[in-house]
Amino acid sequence: ELKVEQNPLFLSMQEGKNYTIYCNYSTTSDRLYWYRQDPGKSLESLFVLLSNGAVKQEGRLMASLDTKARLSTLHITAAVHDLSATYFCAVDSSGSRLTFGEGTQLTVNP
Amino acid sequence: ETGVTQSPTHLIKTRGQQVTLRCSSQSGHNTVSWYQQALGQGPQFIFQYYREEENGRGNFPPRFSGLQFPNYSSELNVNALELDDSALYLCASSFFRVQNTGELFFGEGSRLTVL
Repeated sequence: ELKVEQNPLFLSMQEGKNYTIYCNYSTTSDRLYWYRQDPGKSLESLFVLLSNGAVKQEGRLMASLDTKARLSTLHITAAVHDLSATYFCAVDSSGSRLTFGEGTQLTVNP
Repeated sequence: ETGVTQSPTHLIKTRGQQVTLRCSSQSGHNTVSWYQQALGQGPQFIFQYYREEENGRGNFPPRFSGLQFPNYSSELNVNALELDDSALYLCASSFFRVQNTGELFFGEGSRLTVL
């Protein structure tokens, strides 16, 4: 059974600081997603990582995938308050069936 | 805006009742998946439909059932509702090819409260 673990689960950081969220998974997969979720809202797709060594960047967020280590990272650069949300990684185990991590609740303080 | 629409957005039921949730897929997508997200948790895969057939199921009891229609819209039915069924139900559509599984696009969700 595929297991997806994120850490940390809760992250409080100051504006302007950098931090990394980690996503480990237990079985082979070469497709990993990062989503953002605001309270009471649905999932907003941030990144789709399709192969080993994939790196994608959008604004202050950068995601990478190491399929050999079964590890993805979401790096936040110079955080701003608008980034406060819950971030999920999800691994595609078979045919677009996603297994999600527990989520990382990020709070960016002024 | 993903082009995936769900209805209703919110509903309240009592234990033992039945509920039907609806999803309209993004144009051109042939696969629909349903996820349950309990408060404070990540979404969990319920099942997937492809060409009107169930194509994979997560760890959910048979009282969770679904349909996919020829126009690729879908329903999720839950019988004999329990308090723990209270959750946000998310529908996701994608385009499945043998060579390449497509990215999922999520709807806004239906929030079910069971009293």
